[in-house]
Amino acid sequence: KAGVTQTPRYLIKTRGQQVTLSCSPISGHRSVSWYQQTPGQGLQFLFEYFSETQRNKGNFPGRFSGRQFSNSRSEMNVSTLELGDSALYLCASSLVGGVANGYTFGSGTRLTVV
Amino acid sequence: GQQLNQSPQSMFIQEGEDVSMNCTSSSIFNTWLWYKQEPGEGPVLLIALYKAGELTSNGRLTAQFGITRKDSFLNISASIPSDVGIYFCAGHGSSGNTGKLIFGQGTTLQVKP
Repeated sequence: KAGVTQTPRYLIKTRGQQVTLSCSPISGHRSVSWYQQTPGQGLQFLFEYFSETQRNKGNFPGRFSGRQFSNSRSEMNVSTLELGDSALYLCASSLVGGVANGYTFGSGTRLTVV
Repeated sequence: GQQLNQSPQSMFIQEGEDVSMNCTSSSIFNTWLWYKQEPGEGPVLLIALYKAGELTSNGRLTAQFGITRKDSFLNISASIPSDVGIYFCAGHGSSGNTGKLIFGQGTTLQVKP
């Protein structure tokens, strides 16, 4: 059974640019959550999507957005990149979004903003 | 952002020793999870706890859900070199708070062969 796939694995962008990250959940999983991991703030929840709808959102500025497609694949977008956006971005998938089935994380996308 | 208080921050132990780490929160959680993260990878679920007072084992790992629902601990017995990594606790609140886990700052474990 394939795991959660995140692409690309590494990305270098310039301040002011925008970036799109992709997450393909485990087959059959309909919930996708996104997290930002930095040395200073640790793992912080960005948002969660289920059946193409955003169900939950963390405390991040509007520059961070996402969407989910009908096949449950999800993308997150960061516009007007800042140096502080440099982080490991992780997505996690679950069957319906509850902890009972657990959350499986991908290997992440390492974003560096220069 | 909100975080759990996880301690210790790091541990450097001898192979064969037992390890204990814990997490505390000012908020009540319905579920506690323990993850391990290795370099270049995402967190991998080790143990999930769903009920206050619950004690669960997974091989050499044992975790407990505190009866106040505000804390949890993880023990690793007879550590081996492949236990090296960062261990995170995570709490999940109400059923309406879908997809959102609150994480501790992590405990970095190093094991000397």
